[in-house]
Amino acid sequence: KAGVTQTPRYLIKTRGQQVTLSCSPISGHRSVSWYQQTPGQGLQFLFEYFSETQRNKGNFPGRFSGRQFSNSRSEMNVSTLELGDSALYLCASSLGRQGGNTEAFFGQGTRLTVV
Amino acid sequence: AQSVTQLDSQVPVFEEAPVELRCNYSSSVSVYLFWYVQYPNQGLQLLLKYLSGSTLVESINGFEAEFNKSQTSFHLRKPSVHISDTAEYFCAVRDLKLVFGTGTRLLVSP
Repeated sequence: KAGVTQTPRYLIKTRGQQVTLSCSPISGHRSVSWYQQTPGQGLQFLFEYFSETQRNKGNFPGRFSGRQFSNSRSEMNVSTLELGDSALYLCASSLGRQGGNTEAFFGQGTRLTVV
Repeated sequence: AQSVTQLDSQVPVFEEAPVELRCNYSSSVSVYLFWYVQYPNQGLQLLLKYLSGSTLVESINGFEAEFNKSQTSFHLRKPSVHISDTAEYFCAVRDLKLVFGTGTRLLVSP
């Protein structure tokens, strides 16, 4: 069974631009979560989508947004990029049971560099 | 809110030596705990999990972790490490989302 697929793997953008990252979850998984990983802040939760609805949200500014499609694929968008947005963005998919007893599987991430 | 503490940012060890990576979590009624491993330029791979049942959980590559409710710990151990175990290890607790520790870099040298 195919794993979580994130595209693209690498991106270089200029300050002020916007970017869209894509995540295809494992077949049958309905929950997609996004995390930002930086050396200074570690792994931080951005948001989670389940059945096309945002179910949970972390403490990120409104420049960070996402959506989920009917096939469970998800996109994350960052507008007005800042240098501090340079990070590895990880997507995780899970079955999506609301309780905690469900494991999440991660993609290889998208490395975003803002110059 | 849940939190996870990994006190050791880096653990150097010689090949074939035992290792323990420490993880403590904030107490909660229901606890679901995970260890993930990250190799350079890769995503996170699930190493092992505690959801319920036996407090000792094992992975297929020789790692094990023990859920200790009284000490709120979920330390990761391996009796004999290999060079290939060099990676960053993250402990995580889950309620509505995964909350990660800051990670421990395991450095295995020959």
